[in-house]
Amino acid sequence: SQKIEQNSEALNIQEGKTATLTCNYTNYSPAYLQWYRQDPGRGPVFLLLIRENEKEKRKERLKVTFDTTLKQSLFHITASQPADSATYLCALDLYAGNNRKLIWGLGTSLAVNP
Amino acid sequence: GAGVSQTPSNKVTEKGKYVELRCDPISGHTALYWYRQSLGQGPEFLIYFQGTGAADDSGLPNDRFFAVRPEGSVSTLKIQRTERGDSAVYLCASSRLTGNTGELFFGEGSRLTVL
Repeated sequence: SQKIEQNSEALNIQEGKTATLTCNYTNYSPAYLQWYRQDPGRGPVFLLLIRENEKEKRKERLKVTFDTTLKQSLFHITASQPADSATYLCALDLYAGNNRKLIWGLGTSLAVNP
Repeated sequence: GAGVSQTPSNKVTEKGKYVELRCDPISGHTALYWYRQSLGQGPEFLIYFQGTGAADDSGLPNDRFFAVRPEGSVSTLKIQRTERGDSAVYLCASSRLTGNTGELFFGEGSRLTVL
């Protein structure tokens, strides 16, 4: 069956450390993978997109890797801050013709403690 | 406006009633999406518009759900004979029409509670 899984447990880390969030999928072949941040009561906010032929993408303190052999993406936040506390969602972009629906994970809750 | 606007932000209704949720996308964004999200879940795809036409409505759960976008801008999601299981946050997103789905810009959502 098709599945997309993120860290099942909430992640608690100390300010200044690197947070690493995992997104694993089975029986999908995404052309792209996206990461979003969602705060309570708000809509998701786009962070990064990585293509299937890219190994790594960076944006300021954020880094995403994409391993299509392992069917896994890792999302890193370096020098984490309490303001980074939120739920982080990964989404598979299957993109085939008119198919533009993203397939979403459940999200991982991150708490950065001061 | 600068972002995606959704109204109402909160809607409480009784089982069996009709509900309309409105989405005003970012100006110039051709693609518009409706998702719904339950507590502790990721967004669940409902329908995708390219311009005025529904290019993919495979996520609509049943025929009580319908969405329109008559002029290629504002969209309305319509739910007939609401059921308690319809309670969720309904999210609208828009994007430029590019080769891939690209970055989605979400509104803050409309929280629907069916009593």
